[in-house]
Amino acid sequence: QITLKESGPTLVKPTQTLTLTCSFSGFSLTTSGVGVGWIRQPPGKALEWLAATYWNDDKPYSPSLRSRLTITKDTSKNQVVLTMTNMDPVDTGTYYCAQYFDWNTIWGQGTAVTVSS
Amino acid sequence: QTVVTQEPSFSVSPGGTVTLTCGLSSGSVSTTHYPSWCQQTPGQPPRTLIYNTNSRSSGVPDRFSGSILGNKAALTITGAQADDESDYYCVLYLGGAIRVFGGGTKLTVL
Repeated sequence: QITLKESGPTLVKPTQTLTLTCSFSGFSLTTSGVGVGWIRQPPGKALEWLAATYWNDDKPYSPSLRSRLTITKDTSKNQVVLTMTNMDPVDTGTYYCAQYFDWNTIWGQGTAVTVSS
Repeated sequence: QTVVTQEPSFSVSPGGTVTLTCGLSSGSVSTTHYPSWCQQTPGQPPRTLIYNTNSRSSGVPDRFSGSILGNKAALTITGAQADDESDYYCVLYLGGAIRVFGGGTKLTVL
């Protein structure tokens, strides 16, 4: 059974850096074709794809957020970490991680992040 | 910047059939965009219904189907039920391993 769980701070101040961790089980990021991505959703708004990391070290980023994002993986710990710099109140929302394999997506439950001073 | 377009809202009668679409602001959607559809109810994470144009995720009823219709990806719900009332998002693979979500369609069943 594949599970993914997001963790990180629920509240960050403007200009701070957000660090989120996706801990997963039931698959390995060393398996060919497997990836883990991050997606966010502001309250009441649409989903927005952020970034992903793959078994082959490919790391695509959303062009509009690329300058603020860094995604890393730790295959020994089955974790993927996303950092987002210079946080702003418009970055408030729920952040999801998801597994990609064979063009399918399995979602985590999400973690809520509020950006406020 | 490429925009993925969806109908903001749609309604269907119980038992009816509805087709939601997913387009591109420039160009046509094809199977090479590996269109995927997910369903989201309030307060819940998304759930993938369809991936790679027309493959159903595990446990998804066969009344959900995906296709390419003309220059758009499409999600068809046949025999709509009350609990199909949700937000539906498409996501397209745009190359360079980048994905883009549409703005979502709010489906009402009434």
